[in-house]
Formats: sequence, structure tokens, C-alpha cells
Amino acid sequence: DAGVIQSPRHEVTEMGQEVTLRCKPISGHNSLFWYRQTMMRGLELLIYFNNNVPIDDSGMPEDRFSAKMPNASFSTLKIQPSEPRDSAVYFCASRNFYYGYTFGSGTRLTVV
Amino acid sequence: GESVGLHLPTLSVQEGDNSIINCAYSNSASDYFIWYKQESGKGPQFIIDIRSNMDKRQGQRVTVLLNKTVKHLSLQIAATQPGDSAVYFCAVTNSGGSNYKLTFGKGTLLTVNP
Repeated sequence: DAGVIQSPRHEVTEMGQEVTLRCKPISGHNSLFWYRQTMMRGLELLIYFNNNVPIDDSGMPEDRFSAKMPNASFSTLKIQPSEPRDSAVYFCASRNFYYGYTFGSGTRLTVV
Repeated sequence: GESVGLHLPTLSVQEGDNSIINCAYSNSASDYFIWYKQESGKGPQFIIDIRSNMDKRQGQRVTVLLNKTVKHLSLQIAATQPGDSAVYFCAVTNSGGSNYKLTFGKGTLLTVNP
């Protein structure tokens, strides 16, 4: 099992550009979570999906953020337009019914 | 809402000593608790979990204690090794209904001195 796979590992972009982060959950896991980690705020839940359906997106900071899960094996988190304050590490995690949360290695986003 | 806090932001111990990391939570409805370890440049890694019907659970060199009365849990690491140096997070959730989202504490940085 390759675990939760995120890409890219690092992303540097200019303010105003569109950024797309990608996640492949563990096969068989029916829930997927996007978290953002910063020194100031720690780990914050942005959105989570259950069986590919968004259940709670109350953590998405602004309309600039959007997430999709077109199928059970792929999800994207998009920021458009990006701003310097979006700089953070973004983690994807997946879970099966038996509470097995597994995190990916994260995408470090820097917006300059 | 849920809030999760940690009593100590940093902890420095000598190799071979036992480490104790504490965590307080606020929502009495929380019934599932997880400890994660995060090394630099990596995602949080599962260490051990405990459900609210238990007070104690042991793993390899780690023990989690849960005190529901005061809404407190702790992670004990026996014979701490340099490889244990990392940030440790507690996470809690209420598994009732369809809400399985985790709320994380701010983290404790554990430094093990050789």
C-alpha cells in the first residue's frame, strides 16, 4: 500500500496565480480530508468528503478555495487566485470506516 | 465547538527517560482520541488511539491514558529515544452520526537529548 499520495510536494507560485493540489487516497478508504497547517493556527480542517460527496466545507477560508472529488481515487484542492497568506502545508488524509486516518506527506505551498 | 489544547508546547528529555505529553479537550461528547507524531517535513503519523469506553491503552513503548472526568488524555513514551524527537499532536472526534472530523491540538515539540 503506497499510502495517501499528494502532489506536488512543493509549489512556489506568484500571487494571483491558480494553484491546484492533488491527492490520491488509500484504496478502500471512503472518507477524505483536506487540512492546512501553519505555525500560527496549527492543523485546520478545510473540507471533508464521504463517499466522494462534500460533507463539511465550513473550514474553507474563502471562495477562492474549492475542492472536488470526482471519484474515489482522486481529489483536488484549488486556490484561485492565490495570495501570500495562503502559504502553508496542505495535507490530505483518508479514512476507512474503522477510524483509520492516514495522512499524506503534504504539499508545501509558497505564494510570493 | 471543540477545542483541544496542550499543557506544554515543548518538552526536553534525556535519552532513556520516560516522556509524558498532555492534552485537554473541551467537548464531553468526544469519544475517540488519537495521538499523532509529526517529524519534520512529513505528515502526521498515527501512534495510538483510544475510545471513550477505555481508560488506558498500551502499545509498543507508548501508553495513552484517558480521564473523561476532567477531559484529559496523556501520551507516555517509555525509554525515550532520539528517534522519538518530533511534534506530537492529540486529536479528538465525536464519532456519532456522520461527523468523523478530527480536531487537533496545537502540538508539543519533544526533544530527546542523547
